[in-house]
Amino acid sequence: AQSVTQLGSHVSVSEGALVLLRCNYSSSVPPYLFWYVQYPNQGLQLLLKYTTGATLVKGINGFEAEFKKSETSFHLTKPSAHMSDAAEYFCAVSLRRALTFGSGTRLQVQP
Amino acid sequence: GAGVSQSPSNKVTEKGKDVELRCDPISGHTALYWYRQRLGQGLEFLIYFQGNSAPDKSGLPSDRFSAERTGESVSTLTIQRTQQEDSAVYLCASSLDRGGNEQFFGPGTRLTVL
Repeated sequence: AQSVTQLGSHVSVSEGALVLLRCNYSSSVPPYLFWYVQYPNQGLQLLLKYTTGATLVKGINGFEAEFKKSETSFHLTKPSAHMSDAAEYFCAVSLRRALTFGSGTRLQVQP
Repeated sequence: GAGVSQSPSNKVTEKGKDVELRCDPISGHTALYWYRQRLGQGLEFLIYFQGNSAPDKSGLPSDRFSAERTGESVSTLTIQRTQQEDSAVYLCASSLDRGGNEQFFGPGTRLTVL
């Protein structure tokens, strides 16, 4: 069975500060890993994904994530937060087809 | 259409009634998924369709939930004898059926059971 843990249901940062959203997974084999973002009253949008190859993955809107097998982690980062980054972020893992999601982290960006 | 569409966008029903939710996937996507998102929580997998294969129903929470898909087109999720705990946003996603392929999500149907 696979599972995803997102540490921190709420994260607040100042505009321009580093964003770090944590995700750890458990899986018997290396999974595919995803970060999705959900803006208020909108559907989920893919930020980035890791399947194979380079462990540092770059996504949209300046976000990136690094797959660390030894730590079973896939943390999401952005060097400088914008007000428009305020949203809910979901980490997800896939072994076969369906995604297993973490419980989400709501990011607040303070001016 | 360009994306996954779902209807209705909102549904309010009384406890005990049946509801039917519809999903139109992206044309050409062979895989279709239903998820449920309860307030303040992550998404729970419900059911997965791939082409004409038997669906993976392992996520359905009870026998009151069922879903159908004809070929690689529209899918309907039916909830019979709705309960208040069924209140949630029901999300549909579709993808090309390859491992690691991105799932494209619809806007969801917000179901409220009174």
